Amino acid sequence: DAGITQSPRHKVTETGTPVTLRCHQTENHRYMYWYRQDPGHGLRLIHYSYGVKDTDKGEVSDGYSVSRSKTEDFLLTLESATSSQTSVYFCAISEKGKGQGENIQYFGAGTRLSVL
Amino acid sequence: SQQGEEDPQALSIQEGENATMNCSYKTSINNLQWYRQNSGRGLVHLILIRSNEREKHSGRLRVTLDTSKKSSSLLITASRAADTASYFCATDNTGTASKLTFGTGTRLQVTL
Repeated sequence: DAGITQSPRHKVTETGTPVTLRCHQTENHRYMYWYRQDPGHGLRLIHYSYGVKDTDKGEVSDGYSVSRSKTEDFLLTLESATSSQTSVYFCAISEKGKGQGENIQYFGAGTRLSVL
Repeated sequence: SQQGEEDPQALSIQEGENATMNCSYKTSINNLQWYRQNSGRGLVHLILIRSNEREKHSGRLRVTLDTSKKSSSLLITASRAADTASYFCATDNTGTASKLTFGTGTRLQVTL
C-alpha cells in the first residue's frame, strides 16, 4: 500500500446521496485506476486515467464519474448512490502503459462503501 | 465479459504441501500476472510471465503459461500459513488500452 492512500477507508451513506472517494499517490505514476470488488466477480474496472485530465471508461462505468486534475489525485464520484454500488473500491497505479513495458499495478488498501 | 476464470475457487491444504491454482483467459495477451490479496488488504503483485515465455520461477512460486490453451498455473511450493490469501490472475490483453483484466480469484487456506 506504500505510496497510495485511499480516503475514506469506510463509508456508510444513504441511497440517492453523492459520494466521492479519493485516491492519492506519491509515486508520480502516470496511470491510475478505480476498481470495485464484489464476491464472485473479482475486480472489475470502473474508470482509469492515463494522464492529467485524460480518463476513459472501464467495464462497469455506469453511475460513476472520475476526475484527475493533478497527477497525484484521482477522484471517483457516485453522483447518486444506489444499493448496487455497495462494494469495496480499490485504487491502483501503474508507471507503464501499453507499448511502454509491463503494466504492473500497485494497489491501495481499499474503501468499503455501504449504501443503505 | 473478458474476465479470466480461476480454478479452483477455494483450496485448503496443510502447511508444507504444494498449492496449484489455474487461470484460463479468453483473448490473446501480452503478458499474464499473478497477484495476492490478504484479507482486508489491497492486491500485491507476485510475478509476471510474458506471452513468449512458458515457465517462470520466483522463490517458492512457479508460473506456467500455455498460450495455445489460453491458460496459466501458479504453483506455490512448501506452503506456509502466511500464504493464506486470495490469488488472482490478470491479463494484459493485446489490442486493449493500458489496463488489466482480472480473474475471479482462488481463495487459499493453509492450515498448520
